[in-house]
Amino acid sequence: AQTVTQSQPEMSVQEAETVTLSCTYDTSESDYYLFWYKQPPSRQMILVIRQEAYKQQNATENRFSVNFQKAAKSFSLKISDSQLGDAAMYFCAYRSGGGSQGNLIFGKGTKLSVKP
Amino acid sequence: DSGVTQTPKHLITATGQRVTLRCSPRSGDLSVYWYQQSLDQGLQFLIQYYNGEERAKGNILERFSAQQFPDLHSELNLSSLELGDSALYFCASSVGPLTGSSGNTIYFGEGSWLTVV
Repeated sequence: AQTVTQSQPEMSVQEAETVTLSCTYDTSESDYYLFWYKQPPSRQMILVIRQEAYKQQNATENRFSVNFQKAAKSFSLKISDSQLGDAAMYFCAYRSGGGSQGNLIFGKGTKLSVKP
Repeated sequence: DSGVTQTPKHLITATGQRVTLRCSPRSGDLSVYWYQQSLDQGLQFLIQYYNGEERAKGNILERFSAQQFPDLHSELNLSSLELGDSALYFCASSVGPLTGSSGNTIYFGEGSWLTVV
């Protein structure tokens, strides 16, 4: 069974600085997808970024980028120029590929605080 | 706005009662998922439907049931409610058959807050 581990329950960053959230996963599959979701205090689940395992290039979305290390099964999220609105719980998630249409497997989350 | 619509947004009910949560997936999405998030807890997968058929089951209690209708909307029924069922219930949807990388993304609704008193 696949597992997702987020080893940092809480992180803090100064506004305008850069922070990296860690995520590791365990799988025997070769085809899969990885995601970071943001959950602000409103509790809405917002997709931040997606990475296809078959792609070597790391995904980027504006100030958000990932460091995908497939061999190490690591998928970290880097937030550049942190803003107060980035304060939220961040969940790393795994989804099987290959037509299995499986559900998301989530880590326990990292609570990010942004200091003004 | 993810395009996934959930109703009601908030619900307060008494123990022992039954409630129904409703979800309309994004236009064109065939798969619907239900997740439960208790206070300070992670997201627990409950059940998945694809085009009207149950596809996968997670940690769903026997007191809970769900279905997906021909128009693809889904309902989650929670019965004999207990205090511990108080949680945020998310519906999410995805395209289903992989039709490109975008089909692999699961989009979430805003959730239905259930409080059992």
